[in-house]
Amino acid sequence: KNEVEQSPQNLTAQEGEFITINCSYSVGISALHWLQQHPGGGIVSLFMLSSGKKKHGRLIATINIQEKHSSLHITASHPRDSAVYICAVLQGAQKLVFGQGTRLTINP
Amino acid sequence: DARVTQTPRHKVTEMGQEVTMRCQPILGHNTVFWYRQTMMQGLELLAYFRNRAPLDDSGMPKDRFSAEMPDATLATLKIQPSEPRDSAVYFCASGLLYRDRVLASPYQPQHFGDGTRLSIL
Repeated sequence: KNEVEQSPQNLTAQEGEFITINCSYSVGISALHWLQQHPGGGIVSLFMLSSGKKKHGRLIATINIQEKHSSLHITASHPRDSAVYICAVLQGAQKLVFGQGTRLTINP
Repeated sequence: DARVTQTPRHKVTEMGQEVTMRCQPILGHNTVFWYRQTMMQGLELLAYFRNRAPLDDSGMPKDRFSAEMPDATLATLKIQPSEPRDSAVYFCASGLLYRDRVLASPYQPQHFGDGTRLSIL
């Protein structure tokens, strides 16, 4: 069993829909990252959080440390949000362990 | 905008050849990471450096891979000899760590390069 599990693996939705991507982990962590990888391959780190909730534009990330679960939400989704979203847990100060990613496709 | 620069962007070579990938971290960042991404395994941490010293290279096959930071502006990842199973995209990332706490933006604690797409024939 992977230490970091994401669901769903693939998600297709219509423009404007509210999107939720889930991440569960089984190891002790100091923080959790959400990353975005676009079709061209570039990776952008969206959030790092260790408790509660963070918001950045239309993106919201939440984490429940007791349940070892995090969610990434996208409000008013847009085709440009189409990408692979990767959850990664931080062990210690800098070591990241990655989930397999969720491929999101937003259709116009 | 400051960015992490990786070279080359693409590399195709025959098995057995030496491959060197280079990374220029963002000026002022004191941690550098090497990651490998494959379809089967996804993203994996290979090694990382703090203030140019290797902190963890447990994810790296030691017999053929080596990672170094000859100076603060250059990190290298070498494979010798290369094998077809090394084909992957290799990412470098940099960040700023102070007293074991990550600084910089909460939205982008690590800045990734565009990757080197490596194909070993």
